[in-house]
Amino acid sequence: AQSVTQLDSQVPVFEEAPVELRCNYSSSVSVYLFWYVQYPNQGLQLLLKYLSGSTLVKGINGFEAEFNKSQTSFHLRKPSVHISDTAEYFCAVTPNTGFQKLVFGTGTRLLVSP
Amino acid sequence: KAGVTQTPRYLIKTRGQQVTLSCSPISGHRSVSWYQQTPGQGLQFLFEYFSETQRNKGNFPGRFSGRQFSNSRSEMNVSTLELGDSALYLCASSFGREFDEQFFGPGTRLTVL
Repeated sequence: AQSVTQLDSQVPVFEEAPVELRCNYSSSVSVYLFWYVQYPNQGLQLLLKYLSGSTLVKGINGFEAEFNKSQTSFHLRKPSVHISDTAEYFCAVTPNTGFQKLVFGTGTRLLVSP
Repeated sequence: KAGVTQTPRYLIKTRGQQVTLSCSPISGHRSVSWYQQTPGQGLQFLFEYFSETQRNKGNFPGRFSGRQFSNSRSEMNVSTLELGDSALYLCASSFGREFDEQFFGPGTRLTVL
């Protein structure tokens, strides 16, 4: 079975400051890792995913994440946030067993203020 | 191309009733997954259908069921509703491989009174 821990339920930050949203996972099998964003009253949108290869993954809207296998982490970063980045961010994993069954973390609410 | 659509967007039901939610995937997608989102439990996987067959399911009681039609549209049904079934129900479609991006619909907000 897989589990995902997002260590921060809420992260307040000022506009144009850098941010890191933390994600750790646990799994007995190899997994693929994802970050999704959810804006109010909307569904989820994929920011980026890690399948294999380079551990630094770049996604949409200037976000990037780094996969660290030894620490079983997949932290999300952005060097300079905008007000429009205010949203809920979910880290998720799926075992690489041929079909997708996403296991989500509890989410981190990013609050960007001017 | 059109995104994932879910109908209805909002539903109010009373305990003991049943409800059917509908999801139309992106054209060409054969996989539809359903998730329940609540403040307490977060996002939880319900089940996934691929080519009209349930391929995977989460840990939900048998009151939660689903099906997929030949055009890949999917429905999920919840019978004998309980207050705890109040949630946002999200469906997502993809090509069906484990590394494919899942595209989420806006969800159906179910309130059970």
